[in-house]
Amino acid sequence: EAGVTQFPSHSVIEKGQTVTLRCDPISGHDNLYWYRRVMGKEIKFLLHFVKESKQDESGMPNNRFLAERTGGTYSTLKVQPAELEDSGVYFCASSQGRLLFDTGELFFGEGSRLTVL
Amino acid sequence: EDKVVQSPLSLVVHEGDTVTLNCSYEVTNFRSLLWYKQEKKAPTFLFMLTSSGIEKKSGRLSSILDKKELFSILNITATQTGDSAVYLCALYYGGSQGNLIFGKGTKLSVKP
Repeated sequence: EAGVTQFPSHSVIEKGQTVTLRCDPISGHDNLYWYRRVMGKEIKFLLHFVKESKQDESGMPNNRFLAERTGGTYSTLKVQPAELEDSGVYFCASSQGRLLFDTGELFFGEGSRLTVL
Repeated sequence: EDKVVQSPLSLVVHEGDTVTLNCSYEVTNFRSLLWYKQEKKAPTFLFMLTSSGIEKKSGRLSSILDKKELFSILNITATQTGDSAVYLCALYYGGSQGNLIFGKGTKLSVKP
């Protein structure tokens, strides 16, 4: 069974440009999460989808960030326009049902590294 | 402010050593504490500790939760080079599922 896959693994863009990150969760997982780790800092929660609905987007930094999950399958996270402080590793994770409450297990992707110059 | 502090940030040991990683926390509404292992890129789940499950063990790894003193430890006995990784501690405080508070992690390097 395929795990959580993220694309691209690394993206280098200039300030002001747009980048779109993609996450494919494990098949059948209704819950999809985005996190970000800025260098030297801890991983921070960005948002949570249940199927195609945003359950919690309290961690989204500002309106330059737009996450979508059309059809409740894969998700995209767009940053437009990108700023220097957006550099970091963006992780996606998925879980099934209320798994987090029962076992604590989130299945993470390998992350997409974003470098903004 | 809710927060998770891990120590040490980095640790180098030799194979066969026993290590203890620390995670202290401050939270207004504790629900569970999670440990993850990040070997290369994707963190993988180790343990979840709750008020009803304050001790967990799996092979050479074990973890305890002290809710009174607000900390958890992750113990690894007879370390192997394959244990080299960043170990992440995260707190679930009862917000939406997945809204975790992470520590910065402890980077463990096990030398042969």
